[in-house]
Amino acid sequence: QAQLVQSGSEVKSPGSSVKVSCKASGGSFNNYGINWVRRAPGQGLEWMGGIIPAFRTPNYAQKFQGSLTITADESTTTVYMELSGLTFEDTAVYYCARAGGYFGWLPEYWGQGTLITVSP
Amino acid sequence: QSVLTQPPSTSGTPGQRVTISCSGISSNIGSNYVYWYQQLPGTAPKLLIARNHERPSGVPDRFSGSKSGTSASLAINGLRFEDEADYFCAAWDDSLNGFVVFGGGTRLTVL
Repeated sequence: QAQLVQSGSEVKSPGSSVKVSCKASGGSFNNYGINWVRRAPGQGLEWMGGIIPAFRTPNYAQKFQGSLTITADESTTTVYMELSGLTFEDTAVYYCARAGGYFGWLPEYWGQGTLITVSP
Repeated sequence: QSVLTQPPSTSGTPGQRVTISCSGISSNIGSNYVYWYQQLPGTAPKLLIARNHERPSGVPDRFSGSKSGTSASLAINGLRFEDEADYFCAAWDDSLNGFVVFGGGTRLTVL
């Protein structure tokens, strides 16, 4: 059974960057897609991007090209999401979520979520 | 605007059956599996249905999924108050480099 534990909530200023971690345990780290999904207040789930550590190359939603960086550290089985140029619209709960099948993407296991608040 | 289309809300009374639809196109639902998630207030999403109709261990058999062409449905039989939540469908989309698409979500109210 996979388990994902995320870093804690943060308050950031507009224009700054935020980096959220997601430590994975249970199962092979390298072979499953780990996604980043966010939910802003009053909105639905939004896929931001993800990475399959074995392939190293992240896959980003078009909307986040240029502002989002996803990396994976095999030595600590941790995936990081860094979002730059924050605006008020980036206030949301950010989730990491792991796929269930080898080299797949659709999430089956979710982290607990990290609240990022963008405030002046 | 979400890529997959769901009704924004639905409701039912305890014991009733409700269905939630999810509409896509050939590059997502038409050629890939559909997943369904339940999100209770203040909690992380939880996988309800994988690969169109598979229930993970621990998910009651009151929940079922189906897919036909470019549409999918989630059915909930024997509605309970604890089913009140947001429900999201998702699929892989083969466009561009490929990406995950979600529906806009359906708020289920149990009256």
